[in-house]
Amino acid sequence: EAGVVQSPRYKIIEKKQPVAFWCNPISGHNTLYWYRQNLGQGPELLIRYENEEAVDDSQLPKDRFSAERLKGVDSTLKIQPAELGDSAVYLCASSLDSGGNEQFFGPGTRLTVL
Amino acid sequence: GDSVTQMEGPVTLSEEAFLTINCTYTATGYPSLFWYVQYPGEGLQLLLKATKADDKGSNKGFEATYRKETTSFHLEKGSVQVSDSAVYFCALQREETSGSRLTFGEGTQLTVNP
Repeated sequence: EAGVVQSPRYKIIEKKQPVAFWCNPISGHNTLYWYRQNLGQGPELLIRYENEEAVDDSQLPKDRFSAERLKGVDSTLKIQPAELGDSAVYLCASSLDSGGNEQFFGPGTRLTVL
Repeated sequence: GDSVTQMEGPVTLSEEAFLTINCTYTATGYPSLFWYVQYPGEGLQLLLKATKADDKGSNKGFEATYRKETTSFHLEKGSVQVSDSAVYFCALQREETSGSRLTFGEGTQLTVNP
């Protein structure tokens, strides 16, 4: 069974440019998460989806970050415009549902903002 | 708010040495506790978990016991191998207040030398 797929794996951009990350969760998983992992730190939740509905986006910087999960499957996380402090690894995870089920993580997208 | 604190790293051991990585947490109520492992270039993988006080989680020779009296969940292994070299994250989850959001510690880099 395929795991969580993310692309691209690496992205280097100039500050003020837009960037987008894509995630394909495990088939049948209704809950999808985006985490940000700064260097030397643990992941922090940005947003959680139940199917196509964003049910926890309290940690998402809404002035520059946006996300969508059309049709309740794939998801895209966007930053516009990117700032130097956005350099981090962006992790996508999925689970069957949010009832304490195991979260399966993708390999992440490493973003470098110059 | 919820928080997880891990021992300062990195940790370097020789093969077959005994491993302890300390983890303490701050949370009200009764969180579930987890250890995740991140191998180079890969996503986080669940290593073990415990959902209530005095539970012991175990997997691949690793163990951790949920100690509510000391708010701790220390990771141990009796004899480490070179293949155990990775970053280890302690995490908690409080379903009743934060949905399925995981709160992670900062991670501990383990290097095992032959």
